[in-house]
Amino acid sequence: DAGVIQSPRHEVTEMGQEVTLRCKPISGHNSLFWYRQTMMRGLELLIYFNNNVPIDDSGMPEDRFSAKMPNASFSTLKIQPSEPRDSAVYFCASSLGPGANVLTFGAGSRLTVL
Amino acid sequence: KNEVEQSPQNLTAQEGEFITINCSYSVGISALHWLQQHPGGGIVSLFMLSSGKKKHGRLIATINIQEKHSSLHITASHPRDSAVYICACQGSGSRLTFGEGTQLTVNP
Repeated sequence: DAGVIQSPRHEVTEMGQEVTLRCKPISGHNSLFWYRQTMMRGLELLIYFNNNVPIDDSGMPEDRFSAKMPNASFSTLKIQPSEPRDSAVYFCASSLGPGANVLTFGAGSRLTVL
Repeated sequence: KNEVEQSPQNLTAQEGEFITINCSYSVGISALHWLQQHPGGGIVSLFMLSSGKKKHGRLIATINIQEKHSSLHITASHPRDSAVYICACQGSGSRLTFGEGTQLTVNP
């Protein structure tokens, strides 16, 4: 398996533009997580899905952020409109299921909003 | 006070030294994770444990549930071990609470 695949790896955009980050989890993994990492706040959970259903989105900072998982092999995290404070590295991770399972992380998407 | 605290924040060692990174937590957990983040930014899961001890190569992780404390040990450290090591606590669901990380530098 190629692991968790994220795209794009780097994105630079201007304030107000829409940003879409993509994630392909490991085949057979039923749980998918979106994390954000910044220098100030470290790693934070934004949202996680189990069997394509959002379970906990309490970490989504505001309505500008939305996440979808239309099927077991694909998820998106969208920011519209983007702001400079959204600049961060966004990680997707997947695991076999909810509960205590090992996470496999993607390489991350580094977002810079000018 | 953070729910998950790591110490030290920064650690510099000479190649071959035995290294210990500590993690203390104040919440109830179902599991504790140790993660490694390399300078390139990628995150790798090293261990997930809920009791006792686990070993993988030169890495050993222990947890004491009663004392709410976990340690990550690296034996015979090597410059390629240089990375940020992150402790993360998992509650009853799937949400992880992360420590701030320990920056380890191993000099040749």
